[in-house]
Amino acid sequence: GESVGLHLPTLSVQEGDNSIINCAYSNSASDYFIWYKQESGKGPQFIIDIRSNMDKRQGQRVTVLLNKTVKHLSLQIAATQPGDSAVYFCAEKNAGNMLTFGGGTRLMVKP
Amino acid sequence: GAVVSQHPSRVICKSGTSVKIECRSLDFQATTMFWYRQFPKQSLMLMATSNEGSKATYEQGVEKDKFLINHASLTLSTLTVTSAHPEDSSFYICSATQTAVKPETQYFGPGTRLLVL
Repeated sequence: GESVGLHLPTLSVQEGDNSIINCAYSNSASDYFIWYKQESGKGPQFIIDIRSNMDKRQGQRVTVLLNKTVKHLSLQIAATQPGDSAVYFCAEKNAGNMLTFGGGTRLMVKP
Repeated sequence: GAVVSQHPSRVICKSGTSVKIECRSLDFQATTMFWYRQFPKQSLMLMATSNEGSKATYEQGVEKDKFLINHASLTLSTLTVTSAHPEDSSFYICSATQTAVKPETQYFGPGTRLLVL
């Protein structure tokens, strides 16, 4: 069936470096994607979203890139900080505005 | 804006009892709310979609008689786990959409940790 998945379950980066978290999706009809950050014991926090008519969208220290040709989504975090340590999920909008979540990537920031 | 709260944040109950979890949108109206369950080190799994004033739509494999959902107003949805058993222990998270503004984006509550003894 259609699914959203991630390449790397864990990513460890040095504080100050840039982080790139990747996500592959299989439903070519998907037109809306969201990245969420989830800290331990908390609910997911909205980070940034992108529609399929865009290739790139920037926020504060974060950038989402969408490559529809290869059905790939990425989240870039600039100057990664310890507070960025969390699990990051990509999500894909389905019919009825339901979301399908990827498996998650744990980002660990080393001081 | 777009703040969602849940109550309680943690609950411990005995096997066989029922537990009610509340989900509230604090500063917006949410025609649609979603309920998820998350087991340790796993992703979020959608349980049901809750629409104000109508019956909830449950995902395949989720027992509607066990997980009762009531969406009584545009700011409140409740999930009741009936006759809870240890295997129901999990992290339950709700989300809500600002239906009138941006229906695609779900804003999540802080979650409720349920432990059934």
